[in-house]
Amino acid sequence: NAGVTQTPKFRVLKTGQSMTLLCAQDMNHEYMYWYRQDPGMGLRLIHYSVGEGTTAKGEVPDGYNVSRLKKQNFLLGLESAAPSQTSVYFCASSPRGQGASYEQYFGPGTRLTVT
Amino acid sequence: RKEVEQDPGPFNVPEGATVAFNCTYSNSASQSFFWYRQDCRKEPKLLMSVYSSGNEDGRFTAQLNRASQYISLLIRDSKLSDSATYLCVGIPGRDTGRRALTFGSGTRLQVQP
Repeated sequence: NAGVTQTPKFRVLKTGQSMTLLCAQDMNHEYMYWYRQDPGMGLRLIHYSVGEGTTAKGEVPDGYNVSRLKKQNFLLGLESAAPSQTSVYFCASSPRGQGASYEQYFGPGTRLTVT
Repeated sequence: RKEVEQDPGPFNVPEGATVAFNCTYSNSASQSFFWYRQDCRKEPKLLMSVYSSGNEDGRFTAQLNRASQYISLLIRDSKLSDSATYLCVGIPGRDTGRRALTFGSGTRLQVQP
């Protein structure tokens, strides 16, 4: 049981390049999230998904797109990277249901630098 | 104003000390709160939930004061392994069903030998 995994762990991009971050969870969680973490800013929600085939915008969605084609995977795409997108990206998942905990389970993070 | 605000610290305390962090929130409709712990360059992990009646787990005590809109975390008998950043987390009052969490920017604790 790996929990939440993220690929890649590190990446350096040049301005204007594109890339996709992959998040996978093996806990059969309905909900998945993408956050970015910047110094002094805390974690900010980029996009989230409440189930396979559904996605929605979070607090800071501009410049990012997401897809949830399979329940266990949540992809985050940067179409044209900008230096302002240099950050640590965390994926998280949580179960659904009234009796379920609000606890979110995080992946180890992807450190992205855009030059 | 941020929804959840914390003193960034760092709090430097000797081993065995008692240390307390506060966190204030602006949305009076916020339903639930949590403390997450984040080690350096690692992912956040749930430390404990915060209940109106208070919540104690070993050396850790969390309390919620709705009248003053703050949450506290008390750590007794600090250990070196308690060194980390502690994130105050709330759920907005109008939860859309996505179980959204709002994170504070964290308070850094450094326990010294």
